[in-house]
Amino acid sequence: NAGVTQTPKFQVLKTGQSMTLQCAQDMNHNSMYWYRQDPGMGLRLIYYSASEGTTDKGEVPNGYNVSRLNKREFSLRLESAAPSQTSVYFCASRGAGGFYEQYFGPGTRLTVT
Amino acid sequence: AQSVTQLDSHVSVSEGTPVLLRCNYSSSYSPSLFWYVQHPNKGLQLLLKYTSAATLVKGINGFEAEFKKSETSFHLTKPSAHMSDAAEYFCVVSDGASGTYKYIFGTGTRLKVLA
Repeated sequence: NAGVTQTPKFQVLKTGQSMTLQCAQDMNHNSMYWYRQDPGMGLRLIYYSASEGTTDKGEVPNGYNVSRLNKREFSLRLESAAPSQTSVYFCASRGAGGFYEQYFGPGTRLTVT
Repeated sequence: AQSVTQLDSHVSVSEGTPVLLRCNYSSSYSPSLFWYVQHPNKGLQLLLKYTSAATLVKGINGFEAEFKKSETSFHLTKPSAHMSDAAEYFCVVSDGASGTYKYIFGTGTRLKVLA
């Protein structure tokens, strides 16, 4: 059981370039999330998808778009990368119903120069 | 609105001594509360969770936490620190009862264990 997988693990972009971060889970979870982690700020929610076919903004959505491709996959796109988007990005998923924990992927370390 | 405050950004303990990492929360509903651990350059791993059953929750690696509604606290403890406990710890609150299933993270406590 792979759990939550993310690709790539590392990426360096130049300002203005675009890229898509991929996330997949094999636990048949309904909800999926994208977070960014910056030093001293914990994890902040970018976007989430409560179920297949729905997406909603989180705390810091500006500069990002998401696609819930199917129940397994949830991608995060940076259309025009900025240095402020240098961060570690984590994808997570959770099962249906209340009181469930999230399961996290290993993260993508993104640097924008 | 939900919020969570981790009262210490850094905690240092000697190996073999007790660990206390403090967390206070605010929630409009009956919350679910979690502690996650993150070792350097790794993802987040669930340590334990409170979901309205027993107020004293036991987790992995000897950690436990007590839910105190009157104090709105969910502090993480361990009787005896081990070098491998050095990591960053996150307290998380979720408002599952409202149906939104969003999670609010604290800013983290970095635990240092001294030999």
